Amino acid sequence: DAGVIQSPRHEVTEMGQEVTLRCKPISGHNSLFWYRQTMMRGLELLIYFNNNVPIDDSGMPEDRFSAKMPNASFSTLKIQPSEPRDSAVYFCASSLGQLDNEKLFFGSGTQLSVL
Amino acid sequence: AQSVTQPDIHITVSEGASLELRCNYSYGATPYLFWYVQSPGQGLQLLLKYFSGDTLVQGIKGFEAEFKRSQSSFNLRKPSVHWSDAAEYFCAVGAGLTGGGNKLTFGTGTQLKVEL
Repeated sequence: DAGVIQSPRHEVTEMGQEVTLRCKPISGHNSLFWYRQTMMRGLELLIYFNNNVPIDDSGMPEDRFSAKMPNASFSTLKIQPSEPRDSAVYFCASSLGQLDNEKLFFGSGTQLSVL
Repeated sequence: AQSVTQPDIHITVSEGASLELRCNYSYGATPYLFWYVQSPGQGLQLLLKYFSGDTLVQGIKGFEAEFKRSQSSFNLRKPSVHWSDAAEYFCAVGAGLTGGGNKLTFGTGTQLKVEL
């Protein structure tokens, strides 16, 4: 399996622009997570899906952030409009979604820079 | 709500020396505990996990961790560090989700530097 695939690896954009981050989870995994990593706040869980349904989006910082999972093999995280403080590494992770002790598989992340 | 504290932001050890990274957790029930490692420019990779049974768990790359309920700790250890172990290490506690799977809360990480 190719693992969790995220695109793009790097994104540089200007303040006010729309940014869309993409994730393809591992086939057969039922849970998908979006995390944000910054120096100041470490790894923060933004939102997670189970069976394509958003379960908890309490970590989404503002209404400018939205996430969708239209099918089991694809998810997007959108920021509109983007701001410099959104600059971070965004990770997507997936898991089987069956057991309490199962591990998460992480993608390589998207490095976002908002100028 | 669960939380994880990693008190050491940076640690430097000499190659061949022993290593212990500290992790303390807060969770109302029996915790599921994990250690992940992140190399530069990469995602996180699982080193080991604890959910029940033997409190000393073995992981990949020669790492081990010991769960101590009385101290709410899950410290990561390695007897002899290799230069390739230089990375950032994250402790995490998992809460089970209705319907299956778990949600991880991560510590802020410990950056390990290895001196040759």
